[in-house]
Amino acid sequence: NAGVMQNPRHLVRRRGQEARLRCSPMKGHSHVYWYRQLPEEGLKFMVYLQKENIIDESGMPKERFSAEFPKEGPSILRIQQVVRGDSAAYFCASSPLAAGNTIYFGEGSWLTVV
Amino acid sequence: DAKTTQPNSMESNEEEPVHLPCNHSTISGTDYIHWYRQLPSQGPEYVIHGLTSNVNNRMASLAIAEDRKSSTLILHRATLRDAAVYYCILRPAGGGADGLTFGKGTHLIIQP
Repeated sequence: NAGVMQNPRHLVRRRGQEARLRCSPMKGHSHVYWYRQLPEEGLKFMVYLQKENIIDESGMPKERFSAEFPKEGPSILRIQQVVRGDSAAYFCASSPLAAGNTIYFGEGSWLTVV
Repeated sequence: DAKTTQPNSMESNEEEPVHLPCNHSTISGTDYIHWYRQLPSQGPEYVIHGLTSNVNNRMASLAIAEDRKSSTLILHRATLRDAAVYYCILRPAGGGADGLTFGKGTHLIIQP
């Protein structure tokens, strides 16, 4: 049973480019969460999605960041016009629809903006 | 905004038990206590969770105070591979967006 899959694992972008991070939840999970971890800091919640719905985006920066979880395919975290401060590890997690509120994390995507 | 308080760091010797404390004095009746750990350059890993009773699994034990305002994660015999940051968080029974905030956790150092 594959875990939460994230890709790419490492991504380098120049300032002003776009970054797209993908997350495939565990089989049977329909809830997806995105977190950001800046160097030497803790995990910061960004957004919580269910299929085709954004449930809570209270942790998302107001500009340049967006997330989606379409009916088919992985969840996408999109960062437009990246800046150096966006360099961080981005973690995706998923949880099942019913029972259980444990969330399971992927290995992360490391974004470096040069 | 984390609702839990943990020591910044702890140190222990290999093959000895480790007790990691967590205070959560504002816990509500429906909050589960969850523990995760994060090894360097990896994603957080679920360790254990509980509501009122003490819990055991293959990774660790969780001791919950009778008033539920504190809990302790117990690693019975620490190995070097247990060196990680340990996070204690509160999750409401219904899951959802609440209780998804991680604090800074406890950085556990294991000495050989």
